Amino acid sequence: DGGITQSPKYLFRKEGQNVTLSCEQNLNHDAMYWYRQDPGQGLRLIYYSQIVNDFQKGDIAEGYSVSREKKESFPLTVTSAQKNPTAFYLCASSIVSGNEQFFGPGTRLTVL
Amino acid sequence: AQSVSQHNHHVILSEAASLELGCNYSYGGTVNLFWYVQYPGQHLQLLLKYFSGDPLVKGIKGFEAEFIKSKFSFNLRKPSVQWSDTAEYFCAVNRVYRGSTLGRLYFGRGTQLTVWP
Repeated sequence: DGGITQSPKYLFRKEGQNVTLSCEQNLNHDAMYWYRQDPGQGLRLIYYSQIVNDFQKGDIAEGYSVSREKKESFPLTVTSAQKNPTAFYLCASSIVSGNEQFFGPGTRLTVL
Repeated sequence: AQSVSQHNHHVILSEAASLELGCNYSYGGTVNLFWYVQYPGQHLQLLLKYFSGDPLVKGIKGFEAEFIKSKFSFNLRKPSVQWSDTAEYFCAVNRVYRGSTLGRLYFGRGTQLTVWP
């Protein structure tokens, strides 16, 4: 069954801790994306990767980091430098960058 | 910078009413256009897309959208909404340069549609 998986669905962390959100796809897509969704602000792009071992900053990259060592995986680390990390995080992929994107179910991160 | 505007933040309709959600973008060149929908508790999914050809595109669940290049618009329409259409709707734009798409999509802030039975 092809698709995008994000784990966990809910994540709680203490302030000051780094946390890594998982995103895996088995669609054989080249491009992958991380968005943050906050009420009334739509989807804001954090980072995206058009191909393995390459990634670019999006609109709100500060306080986040990513890696793309494998085609199917694009983990996002929310660092302690992110001032307001509590949010809903969505991962997406597309066959090539700029094309139709397919979204995962999201991870809701709460920093206490 | 590229921007996508969805002027309606929250739309409330009764069942069987007609729907039109506005979407405008600021890029002057060739674009690919998308509407996505997020039903409560579900994944964001594609409703319809426009790449080229007939500017009136039809999507799933009776939705359609019209690309009007001169107005930089891609409005979403449905002649008769149902309670099950209650969801958040997002417009997205991708810039095309010399026949190639350029990286990312730009999303609007979304429109929450509430349909009363």
